[in-house]
Amino acid sequence: DAKTTQPPSMDCAEGRAANLPCNHSTISGNEYVYWYRQIHSQGPQYIIHGLKNNETNEMASLIITEDRKSSTLILPHATLRDTAVYYCIVRATYNAGNMLTFGGGTRLMVKP
Amino acid sequence: DGGITQSPKYLFRKEGQNVTLSCEQNLNHDAMYWYRQDPGQGLRLIYYSQIVNDFQKGDIAEGYSVSREKKESFPLTVTSAQKNPTAFYLCASSISPRTDTQYFGPGTRLTVL
Repeated sequence: DAKTTQPPSMDCAEGRAANLPCNHSTISGNEYVYWYRQIHSQGPQYIIHGLKNNETNEMASLIITEDRKSSTLILPHATLRDTAVYYCIVRATYNAGNMLTFGGGTRLMVKP
Repeated sequence: DGGITQSPKYLFRKEGQNVTLSCEQNLNHDAMYWYRQDPGQGLRLIYYSQIVNDFQKGDIAEGYSVSREKKESFPLTVTSAQKNPTAFYLCASSISPRTDTQYFGPGTRLTVL
C-alpha cells in the first residue's frame, strides 16, 4: 500500500471549515483513500473513503486531485468535538488481511 | 444497539501472567482484527480472522494468540512471551475480509506492573 504524508498538527477555529491535507504521490490505480479519526483514548472512527471522485457524507467531504497524488478532508463547520488525530490511509482494493496501515496522522485542535 | 464491544476498558496484570482481552460484535461481520497502539504511534496489526475457525498473523503476532470459535467473538491472549505488553489494544471488524470499511471497538488499555 502507498505511503501517506500528513502535517503533524493543525489548528482550526470553531465553526470554521477544517481542511486536512494528505499527500500520497505513489498511489496506484486500485488504491482507495480512507480517512479515520481517533479521539483521545478511543477507537478510531471511520469518516469517509474514495477512489477518484469527490465524496461527501454527513461527517465530511473528501476532495481527491485529478492525478490522485493528494487529497483533502474537509470538515465544513468544525466543533470542539472534532478535536482528534486524523489518519489518511491509502489501501489497495485487496491486500492480505484487509490491513489498514496507520501513520502518524494530523492532530487537529479546534479552538473556541 | 449494534456495535463492537471490548472489555475491560482498563486492565492491569503482573509481569509473567497471561491475560485475555475480549472482543464481541453483533454486526454479523465475517472479518475481525486486533491492533496494538503505543503512545503517539499509529496502529499495528497483531492478528486477523477472515472467517470462523480461521485466523492469520499480522505484523506483530509474536507473544499473542487468538481464537475464532464463534463469528461474533475474537478474544486476544497476551502471553508472558510478549516482551512489551503495555499498550492500547483495539479490536475491529468488517463485513468481509476484502475492501470493506473496518469499524473499531473502544479499546482496552493494558498495563503490566
